[in-house]
Amino acid sequence: GAVVSQHPSRVICKSGTSVKIECRSLDFQATTMFWYRQFPKQSLMLMATSNEGSKATYEQGVEKDKFLINHASLTLSTLTVTSAHPEDSSFYICSARALLGNYEQYFGPGTRLTVT
Amino acid sequence: DQQVKQNSPSLSVQEGRISILNCDYTNSMFDYFLWYKKYPAEGPTFLISISSIKDKNEDGRFTVFLNKSAKHLSLHIVPSQPGDSAVYFCAAIRSYNTDKLIFGTGTRLQVFP
Repeated sequence: GAVVSQHPSRVICKSGTSVKIECRSLDFQATTMFWYRQFPKQSLMLMATSNEGSKATYEQGVEKDKFLINHASLTLSTLTVTSAHPEDSSFYICSARALLGNYEQYFGPGTRLTVT
Repeated sequence: DQQVKQNSPSLSVQEGRISILNCDYTNSMFDYFLWYKKYPAEGPTFLISISSIKDKNEDGRFTVFLNKSAKHLSLHIVPSQPGDSAVYFCAAIRSYNTDKLIFGTGTRLQVFP
């Protein structure tokens, strides 16, 4: 149980275009989903927290107009990187916390974004 | 300000021996701690957690110890297996205030035959 999927696993896009990443909890309902970013050889940095049906809460320094988050249902959250630039190239990982459970977050496999 | 620290970036252990991964934190308000394992280009996998009301939690080969007075926790893996080779992250949370995980910087464990 507690499987989280992400799609796509890898995407290459041109500078200035937008990219959407989907995060789904496959076998449980998630009240809260999280989006992280990981740079090479660094820890996971939380970008934003999203609760179903409400606006996402962004961490300090994360541009909400650039990283659009939608959490339309208890099993789906999307992250859209708008007007992507090469510096947005990174590994993006989502996680989900179960509706009923402890504080464990279950992570997706990640999405490697490369902006050329 | 790194609130959760893993001071050893890497650890090498022989198969069958014990692996001990350490984690220190600075915020005394953290009350729940988790360990995750991560392979390259994959998301972290939850391993084990511990509440601040406990000082030990065990699950199979994995045991987490918490020393609140020292603000220190450790993950013991015994016996270590080659498949345990990965990066291990500890994470902490202030459960009554937010469900935001604060991650450490990770320790790369290599288990050799």
